[in-house]
Amino acid sequence: QKEVEQNSGPLSVPEGAIASLNCTYSDRGSQSFFWYRQYSGKSPELIMFIYSNGDKEDGRFTAQLNKASQYVSLLIRDSQPSDSATYLCALEKNNDMRFGAGTRLTVKP
Amino acid sequence: DTGVSQNPRHKITKRGQNVTFRCDPISEHNRLYWYRQTLGQGPEFLTYFQNEAQLEKSRLLSDRFSAERPKGSFSTLEIQRTEQGDSAMYLCASENNEQFFGPGTRLTVL
Repeated sequence: QKEVEQNSGPLSVPEGAIASLNCTYSDRGSQSFFWYRQYSGKSPELIMFIYSNGDKEDGRFTAQLNKASQYVSLLIRDSQPSDSATYLCALEKNNDMRFGAGTRLTVKP
Repeated sequence: DTGVSQNPRHKITKRGQNVTFRCDPISEHNRLYWYRQTLGQGPEFLTYFQNEAQLEKSRLLSDRFSAERPKGSFSTLEIQRTEQGDSAMYLCASENNEQFFGPGTRLTVL
């Protein structure tokens, strides 16, 4: 089992819709969880991080963490074509970062 | 621009040659990470430094790879006797509480 699992997609949503990106992980000792956005040919950019169970909101983005189910998700409200990118889930344990392979999101105008 | 710089941005080399990449992190950040990313995959952790100390190395890092951060500021990653399988994007990230990635060095081994 991979340490961080993501559906590779592509996930396609219409402009204005909610995009839901999911990630599961295998190591229960993981401490912090991150969502990065990566445009084609560019390096990853941090969107947000979460370390407590529940929801964390930042603008149009909401991260959800459920440690019992080893599941973390990212919701993007009012999706825009500029949100089209690969979204990487990452976890950290003792300063060791592990990334998933990413989910490719396409927002169609 | 995150404030993390990497040089060169692109490197093309012949198999068997040695290459060295440089990363300049954000100045007040203590932690520096190196990752490798291939097409369709997320970044794979290679190694990280806390100041000048190299605290962890991935099992992916063969003995052809070496990294240094001599003064706790910039870091170098050297690959000796390059192989075609080393072709990838090499990313550096600088961290205080959050990781900020540099633009990467794209290595192509012919």
